[in-house]
Amino acid sequence: EVQLVESGGGLVQPGGSLRLSCAASGFSFNSYWMGWVRQTPGKGLEWVANIQQDGSEKHYVDSVQGRFTISRDNANSLYLQMNSLRTEDTAVYYCARTALCGGDCYGTFDIWGRGTVVTVSS
Amino acid sequence: DIQMTQSPSTLSASVGDRVTITCRASQSISSWLAWYQQKPGKAPNLLIYKASSLQSGVPSRFSGSGSGTEFTLTISSLQPDDFATYYCQQYNSYSRTFGQGTKLEIK
Repeated sequence: EVQLVESGGGLVQPGGSLRLSCAASGFSFNSYWMGWVRQTPGKGLEWVANIQQDGSEKHYVDSVQGRFTISRDNANSLYLQMNSLRTEDTAVYYCARTALCGGDCYGTFDIWGRGTVVTVSS
Repeated sequence: DIQMTQSPSTLSASVGDRVTITCRASQSISSWLAWYQQKPGKAPNLLIYKASSLQSGVPSRFSGSGSGTEFTLTISSLQPDDFATYYCQQYNSYSRTFGQGTKLEIK
């Protein structure tokens, strides 16, 4: 079964750090771009970051640039290191697989995890 | 960044109805648009990519159209399982952006 399972969420104070993990299974992890998408009741869905198959290319939404770092390893895991956290980073964070279909769906997300909740509050 | 605006924000309809949701981009995105369905407490599910291509396993009552800046998602005959929130997403640029969502409610 194709599956993504996030972990690492929790309560953290403003200015603090947190590292999210995503364990992938059931597919060839090294063949796919991967990403993080977050969701808040107020702002809806927001793409956070993407990383290329070999980790050499990464992209971030402006609001997290310089604070968050996306990475991956050869053990089928994706990570999001979040530093200098702000209250507005409070959200459900989803790990998501970028679809592959000959190019037309490249940039969409076809497999999602269940999400992990990050709460930034004092 | 490219802004995506959906309308309406909420839509009330009955089983069997034909419904249409609109998504507008702040600049041309060609056909690089996807639609997702999300149910409460669940992750989004990809329905359509490249504006009109149906993702594998998605019922044929879902269809998409449009290009440039204006796009639509149509459900030809609403089923009870279709009541959910729908989001559009552009992938014309590396900075992907989503619409704010359209909640489809039972009338």
